[in-house]
Amino acid sequence: ETGVTQTPRHLVMGMTNKKSLKCEQHLGHNAMYWYKQSAKKPLELMFVYSLEERVENNSVPSRFSPECPNSSHLFLHLHTLQPEDSALYLCASSQARGEHYGYTFGSGTRLTVV
Amino acid sequence: GQNIDQPTEMTATEGAIVQINCTYQTSGFNGLFWYQQHAGEAPTFLSYNVLDGLEEKGRFSSFLSRSKGYSYLLLKELQMKDSASYLCAVKDSNYQLIWGAGTKLIIKP
Repeated sequence: ETGVTQTPRHLVMGMTNKKSLKCEQHLGHNAMYWYKQSAKKPLELMFVYSLEERVENNSVPSRFSPECPNSSHLFLHLHTLQPEDSALYLCASSQARGEHYGYTFGSGTRLTVV
Repeated sequence: GQNIDQPTEMTATEGAIVQINCTYQTSGFNGLFWYQQHAGEAPTFLSYNVLDGLEEKGRFSSFLSRSKGYSYLLLKELQMKDSASYLCAVKDSNYQLIWGAGTKLIIKP
């Protein structure tokens, strides 16, 4: 247990479904992140929330929608996904975006789109 | 563009020493991180280098040369549990983490 909890661990969804991924951190961090991890590729930053500010990667399709109701919780809402969206989705948190702070990761949600 | 290069896969023997290299080209530099990720688990922090030189932490050491854009992670007295992927990441001038694709390390008895 790293202090960052993601649910569900595994998710299989059809292309017409709507689902949400949840991330919760109990570390007192004030920045949270969504990453996509595909096999043999670098981690792809999707979204960042830092001190209530959302920083968005412009290359993320609109079928992914983040929500950060407070500094401890982060959601990723999914709708009309494509098979190429199948990947491991990792949530991370950090004390702040700057300086030398590393990230604490959750164990991820393994998403399969069928 | 920004780029982090590390070998895709390496194999080593239990009890031996292995060095995993990482080269980077980024817009600015605010530190280099190494993470370990076992299959199906969260990446976990191993080391952080911001100044040139060697940082030692038990069986693991990490080296940085900023002038060469180069780092390595050195693992000594390898154990079977060290089989994992090792991720190199650099914080750029905007404090954004740029990630390598990871090195899968296979330990054989």
